[in-house]
Amino acid sequence: GQNIDQPTEMTATEGAIVQINCTYQTSGFNGLFWYQQHAGEAPTFLSYNVLDGLEEKGRFSSFLSRSKGYSYLLLKELQMKDSASYLCAVLDSNYQLIWGAGTKLIIKP
Amino acid sequence: IAGITQAPTSQILAAGRRMTLRCTQDMRHNAMYWYRQDLGLGLRLIHYSNTAGTTGKGEVPDGYSVSRANTDDFPLTLASAVPSQTSVYFCASSDGTGAGANVLTFGAGSRLTVL
Repeated sequence: GQNIDQPTEMTATEGAIVQINCTYQTSGFNGLFWYQQHAGEAPTFLSYNVLDGLEEKGRFSSFLSRSKGYSYLLLKELQMKDSASYLCAVLDSNYQLIWGAGTKLIIKP
Repeated sequence: IAGITQAPTSQILAAGRRMTLRCTQDMRHNAMYWYRQDLGLGLRLIHYSNTAGTTGKGEVPDGYSVSRANTDDFPLTLASAVPSQTSVYFCASSDGTGAGANVLTFGAGSRLTVL
């Protein structure tokens, strides 16, 4: 079966750096997405990786290794507003999105 | 403001009742989707539509139906609601073309409780 694994919850300190990991086993691969979801709100798009390597976008970066079935989202200079759930999703060979359960990130002052 | 509008925001429903969740987008996106989100689980696709006039079944379609009469509207109907359909429902859309083909824009969600 297809599977996306992410840690359920992580805690970090304001101003610090945190890395949220995502591993996947899917039938085929056509890209990996990260979305941010604040409590009670809709998910919003953060990043998309289809080739190996690091994509940087301001304070957020996303890394992909297709051979290892692995990605991470790196958040730098953490702010309180970064407290949210972070969802990893993989586009499989049928162009269907497979979603992880999300990682709830708690930022402490 | 361009985006997706869902209604109702929240609803409590008696089991056995029929319910339609409405979804309208003004971005002229080709593809639209209905997901449900339950605690501890990833988003699960209920139904999708790649273009007006066509629909398809997702991962958890049983008990739900959809229609896509035009580009903008994609209603989700629960013919006879059951308590296991208590969930938060998100409508989403994507352009379906170019680099942003599979980037989803989500509505604010509809929280449904079936008693």
